[in-house]
Amino acid sequence: KAGVTQTPRYLIKTRGQQVTLSCSPISGHRSVSWYQQTPGQGLQFLFEYFSETQRNKGNFPGRFSGRQFSNSRSEMNVSTLELGDSALYLCASSLLAGGISYEQYFGPGTRLTVT
Amino acid sequence: DAKTTQPNSMESNEEEPVHLPCNHSTISGTDYIHWYRQLPSQGPEYVIHGLTSNVNNRMASLAIAEDRKSSTLILHRATLRDAAVYYCILRDDNQGGKLIFGQGTELSVKP
Repeated sequence: KAGVTQTPRYLIKTRGQQVTLSCSPISGHRSVSWYQQTPGQGLQFLFEYFSETQRNKGNFPGRFSGRQFSNSRSEMNVSTLELGDSALYLCASSLLAGGISYEQYFGPGTRLTVT
Repeated sequence: DAKTTQPNSMESNEEEPVHLPCNHSTISGTDYIHWYRQLPSQGPEYVIHGLTSNVNNRMASLAIAEDRKSSTLILHRATLRDAAVYYCILRDDNQGGKLIFGQGTELSVKP
């Protein structure tokens, strides 16, 4: 079974631009979560989507948004990029059954650098 | 969100057991204890989880204190590949996919 894939793996953008990152979950997984990892703040939860609906949201500004498609693939968008948005963005998928979720499977991440 | 406390770093010798402690004194009755690890340049990887009883799987064992205020992840024979940051996380399964990561314990393994 293929793992979680994220594209692109590396990205360089300029302040003020916007960026879209993509995540394909493991086949059959319906939940996709996004995390931001920086040396200073560690791993922080951004949001979770399940069946095309946002279920949970972390404490990030509205510049960070996401969506999920009917095939469970997800995208996250960051508008008006700031230098502080430079980070590793991780996507994770999980199989939900009856509201009980087990392990999250993480992708390799997208390394975003904002200059 | 309930918090966990872990040592910043630990060292182990290859092929010896490793006990990684985690304190979670404010754990609630519905919180599961999850462990993830992150190897260098990779995304986090699920290790094990439990609620009240000790748990074993092919990767590790999880020992949970009777009062559930602490737990220990046990790697029975550390290998160089086990060098990673280990995160102890409390999850209420009503939270869905949300994981609250702390700083974790950086484990180094010496040959």
